[in-house]
Amino acid sequence: QQPVQSPQAVILREGEDAVINCSSSKALYSVHWYRQKHGEAPVFLMILLKGGEQKGHEKISASFNEKKQQSSLYLTASQLSYSGTYFCGTEEYQSGAGSYQLTFGKGTKLSVIP
Amino acid sequence: GAGVSQTPSNKVTEKGKYVELRCDPISGHTALYWYRQSLGQGPEFLIYFQGTGAADDSGLPNDRFFAVRPEGSVSTLKIQRTERGDSAVYLCASSLATFASGGATYNEQFFGPGTRLTVL
Repeated sequence: QQPVQSPQAVILREGEDAVINCSSSKALYSVHWYRQKHGEAPVFLMILLKGGEQKGHEKISASFNEKKQQSSLYLTASQLSYSGTYFCGTEEYQSGAGSYQLTFGKGTKLSVIP
Repeated sequence: GAGVSQTPSNKVTEKGKYVELRCDPISGHTALYWYRQSLGQGPEFLIYFQGTGAADDSGLPNDRFFAVRPEGSVSTLKIQRTERGDSAVYLCASSLATFASGGATYNEQFFGPGTRLTVL
């Protein structure tokens, strides 16, 4: 069952902030965030692990609430280059470890305008 | 350094034909994944290799789909008797699992540019 992302789309002016949410009905091992521009490959942004550790790009921040199986991606002082579709990918627990495969949401389309 | 590469970038075929899609992962990455992405959707998991063996092929839609990774590096996704519903972008990703200080595993996946498959 794929995670649910919200909002489906958002339009920002340069410099504004946005939050993208991802919610799963499964117990999660990790949450991954990607940005995809039209016709290009998804680009890795951030990985958040059960237990609180995370790594990713310096200018990107995110949170992972393990109890609620929810993650949020925070985009601050947005730039034109932030435009694209943002996907969360969730990795479930399997036999005490991660399942390795990711289940992706339908994406959030972010448009940043001057 | 070199990222994940996929060939061909585009493939047009006729219904019923056989196709092979190739993925060359990042050097040293032990895990390799195949996903497919339809328009307006997120990537959908197909199969995952750890080394040469398929660790999880639960996402393959039916027995027309098969993938190999004979030497633990390059992988080929094979689709027999293609159908129009197979049309999609087929994405390959690779990763090298690393341990976080708390013992959990980082497994960030790096995607290739994809192969756009069109079945007429």
